[in-house]
Amino acid sequence: GDSVTQMEGPVTLSEEAFLTINCTYTATGYPSLFWYVQYPGEGLQLLLKATKADDKGSNKGFEATYRKETTSFHLEKGSVQVSDSAVYFCALTLMDTGRRALTFGSGTRLQVQP
Amino acid sequence: DSGVTQTPKHLITATGQRVTLRCSPRSGDLSVYWYQQSLDQGLQFLIHYYNGEERAKGNILERFSAQQFPDLHSELNLSSLELGDSALYFCASSGGGAGGQINEKLFFGSGTQLSVL
Repeated sequence: GDSVTQMEGPVTLSEEAFLTINCTYTATGYPSLFWYVQYPGEGLQLLLKATKADDKGSNKGFEATYRKETTSFHLEKGSVQVSDSAVYFCALTLMDTGRRALTFGSGTRLQVQP
Repeated sequence: DSGVTQTPKHLITATGQRVTLRCSPRSGDLSVYWYQQSLDQGLQFLIHYYNGEERAKGNILERFSAQQFPDLHSELNLSSLELGDSALYFCASSGGGAGGQINEKLFFGSGTQLSVL
């Protein structure tokens, strides 16, 4: 079945450090890929998305590029802030199969220290 | 604020009991999704409803059931509760789901924390 694998956390960084959170996927078709973020005590929020190979999603300084050849969608940010501390989820959906429900990875907790 | 409302925020109950979780989607959204978040299983998709009809099932136990009402709110019913059912249950909504333009963005509620003692 379809699945998403993320690097285990927590990831602990100092403010202004470079962030990479790895995400790879397995899918039977051509998925759309997403990063969602969950701040403490809140529900998930869409951070960025990419719907086809080589697309780059970006938002709030975060970027991720859809790499079909490596089945990856790694999340990056050049300079993290304390306010970026949250849990980040990589996810996919296969719209063309009608399966619109998202399949999530296990989440990666990011802790940014001042 | 995502516009998705879930009640109650916290629920504490005993094994063998039955509970109902409620979700009001964003205004105008026709699709409602239920997810279970636990430490060992991560975020698991349970079920998807579109405009009152069940569209897809995920890893939902037979002890669990859901429905979406004509006013588009949804309820998730959990029965014969076990300790392992303790988790955070999320509802999410989106505008699409049945064809035509599909809205891929889900809006999540803040969840119901269920504790089974």
